[in-house]
Order: sequence, then structure tokens, then C-alpha cells
Amino acid sequence: EIVMTQSPATLSVSPGERATLSCRASQTVTSNLAWYQHKPGQAPRLLIYGASTRATGIPARFSGSGSGTDFTLTISSLQSEDFAVYFCLQYTKWWTFGQGTKVEIK
Amino acid sequence: QVQLQESGPGLVKTSETLSLTCTVSGGSISSYYWNWIRQTPGKGLEWIGYIYYTGSTYYNPPLESRVTISLDTSKNQFSLKLSSVTAADTAVYYCAANGGYDAFDIWGKGTMVTVSS
Repeated sequence: EIVMTQSPATLSVSPGERATLSCRASQTVTSNLAWYQHKPGQAPRLLIYGASTRATGIPARFSGSGSGTDFTLTISSLQSEDFAVYFCLQYTKWWTFGQGTKVEIK
Repeated sequence: QVQLQESGPGLVKTSETLSLTCTVSGGSISSYYWNWIRQTPGKGLEWIGYIYYTGSTYYNPPLESRVTISLDTSKNQFSLKLSSVTAADTAVYYCAANGGYDAFDIWGKGTMVTVSS
């Protein structure tokens, strides 16, 4: 099983600041990596797939980078609606998830 | 736009079978791969298995012996059965769709299931 590790567990950021989230795979997943935003009581929302491609309707302030085992999600200027949990997913070998990073208001 | 909605009992007794249904609206079930995923406090998010509209299935090996996913095309629904449940199966269960060996494009909001004696 490919284990996905996200850091940090919690990120405290002020509105307007940049947030950088990390996701590391225990073995290479090439570019088969997706990022999701999840708010309580809502369905998870696909932000990024293929490590760096924004899903339909996702604002340009969300960007993904990386390949192989190390990946980053960057939110360039946090808006109030961006405070949420973010998790990564690898889909190279079946599907496994990171444990999530909570982005909270500083 | 395809939307998914989970439904089923919120409480299941230990050793019994958990049964959930996902209703697909806004699109046909005769496309996509239809998945079940759960989120437990201990293990986080875990993919359970999928069914394709042809009826082919694949289950996560640790759960395979207890899982059945089925399809009802007439009702645009797919279902999950998980047998011999224990407290470790207490989780939020999500249904989700993808185009195959791909990211999950569409998720339901999830439904909480508690296993208790």
C-alpha cells in the first residue's frame, strides 16, 4: 500500500497570506496525485488532479506542483472561504489518502 | 451535473451487516466507476471498492471478504453491504465517482454510521 503523509497537520494563516501544504508518498506515484478541499457537512471538492491541473471552476489562487513522491498545494492568497481541511489522494496503485491538513484562521 | 446522495441506517449492531445506498441524480449510472470510501477516526480516509456500470467490481483487499457492492440501474442507485461489522467500522461513509483509474470527481456529502452493541 502506498502511504501518503501530509504536513503540517494544522496550518494557521491570516486572510490574504499564502498557504503551502505538503504531501509525500511512500513510493513514487508519478503525477497521479489529487488535492481536495473538505468543509464540514459538505462533499469533498476536487481542486487539483494530475498533480498540477486545476479542476473545472477552481480559482487560479490554487496551484499544485511536484511529481514522484513530493507534492505541494499552494493557495496564493487565502480567502475566507478557503479555511477548510485539505487532503491528497494518490491513484497510481489503487487509491490511498493523506490524513489531511486543517487550514485555520490565524 | 451529477450529484450523489448516501442513505441508510445511522446505527448498526455489532456482527450485523451495514447496508447503504447511493442515489445518482443529474446523470446516468451507465457511465463512471461508482465507489465507496469511508473515513474513520483511527485510519482516516479508506477506499472500500468500486462497481462499474457493467457490473464488474473490485474491493480493497483488507475488506474484500466482507464487502459487496451492487448496482440497480433502474433506480440509478448503487449499494454497499459490509458484513460482520465491529466498532472499527464506525465511520462516515461516502459514495464517489470517477472515470476509472483516476481521481474521484464527484462525492456525496457522506453519512455517519455507528456500530454498537
